Amino acid sequence: GIQVEQSPPDLILQEGANSTLRCNFSDSVNNLQWFHQNPWGQLINLFYIPSGTKQNGRLSATTVATERYSLLYISSSQTTDSGVYFCAVEQADKLIFGTGTRLQVFP
Amino acid sequence: SQTIHQWPATLVQPVGSPLSLECTVEGTSNPNLYWYRQAAGRGLQLLFYSVGIGQISSEVPQNLSASRPQDRQFILSSKKLLLSDSGFYLCAWSAWAGAYEQYFGPGTRLTVT
Repeated sequence: GIQVEQSPPDLILQEGANSTLRCNFSDSVNNLQWFHQNPWGQLINLFYIPSGTKQNGRLSATTVATERYSLLYISSSQTTDSGVYFCAVEQADKLIFGTGTRLQVFP
Repeated sequence: SQTIHQWPATLVQPVGSPLSLECTVEGTSNPNLYWYRQAAGRGLQLLFYSVGIGQISSEVPQNLSASRPQDRQFILSSKKLLLSDSGFYLCAWSAWAGAYEQYFGPGTRLTVT
């Protein structure tokens, strides 16, 4: 089956720093989603981005489907950005999740 | 707007006891429904999905089963829990709106003792 790899697995930042999270996938996909899982476990939708670039406040994402990767950019990080970031790719109406990037932002 | 509910939020059950987790969706019709499990804080694993009432597909053979008795209700069950069933269970829904974006419920944290 399709493989979804995320890097880095862990990231520690000071408040105000910028970061880039990467998601690589091994096969063609219909769509791709980015999620943020907060410390209480809630999965929050960030982007639905099968291709191209989208921006939402301090966050933006770019997917290059032909090269099978997606990037999530976090600018001016805040402590509330802490948690685990997942990318998930869709095949046959099902989402396959990556292993996530755990982000810790310190004041 | 659409909302998804899960209950209970937390559950502690002894080994060998039965399980019933419920998920309901409001504000949409004929959604696709999903059950995921997350162990050790990472990596969601798809357990079951349903595209309609009574239609259940299982992704991973295991001690659990799922049912969809109504259009917007999805139930995860077990007759006898194992220690390995502990984890964080998440329900999700999607519906065609130009794309099949999935949205997740708040989850149920299950501890089997």
